[in-house]
Amino acid sequence: DAKTTQPTSMDCAEGRAANLPCNHSTISGNEYVYWYRQIHSQGPQYIIHGLKNNETNEMASLIITEDRKSSTLILPHATLRDTAVYYCIVRVRSSNFGNEKLTFGTGTRLTIIP
Amino acid sequence: DSGVTQTPKHLITATGQRVTLRCSPRSGDLSVYWYQQSLDQGLQFLIQYYNGEERAKGNILERFSAQQFPDLHSELNLSSLELGDSALYFCATGQGLETEAFFGQGTRLTVV
Repeated sequence: DAKTTQPTSMDCAEGRAANLPCNHSTISGNEYVYWYRQIHSQGPQYIIHGLKNNETNEMASLIITEDRKSSTLILPHATLRDTAVYYCIVRVRSSNFGNEKLTFGTGTRLTIIP
Repeated sequence: DSGVTQTPKHLITATGQRVTLRCSPRSGDLSVYWYQQSLDQGLQFLIQYYNGEERAKGNILERFSAQQFPDLHSELNLSSLELGDSALYFCATGQGLETEAFFGQGTRLTVV
């Protein structure tokens, strides 16, 4: 699995867009970018994933650069409940034996400020 | 609610004992992953099963074992417990090998 680099922590004002960057310069062609978050000690929550096109769902948007070496997760209107550790993960999305696991790094601790 | 159920939610046991943690997947999910999260560490991958077969092993101790049953629920067995095994244990399940995985709320194990 490719390694990812994320800022250790970030703050964002409530109601503003939170933009969380992730570098994955060694990503392979068959690796997707996944984002999960963990609120306090709860189970990690799936947010979004993408390959090379920008993706949007009800939770967030994912912007992946054209060279796929970095991406940004956007929470459009951050609320206090978005305070969590956000993990950017690159993961093979194929049936290669044993390559499907999610490898978590240290993530970004996002704090939403009232 | 992810639909993945882990039991028990909390477990306190003594050193040297053996415990079993259970994971019930979402309907239709064939993959299950187990993770350990200690107080000062991140999420460490332990082991993965797909439709009853072991797919990948991570940093799982020999004292730990897991299995996935025909009804697709999974159990993680921890034996000869040590104080350092105190941690949150999460399972995640997914429909296939290539799909996103959804996590349960974890079992908090305290070894005293």
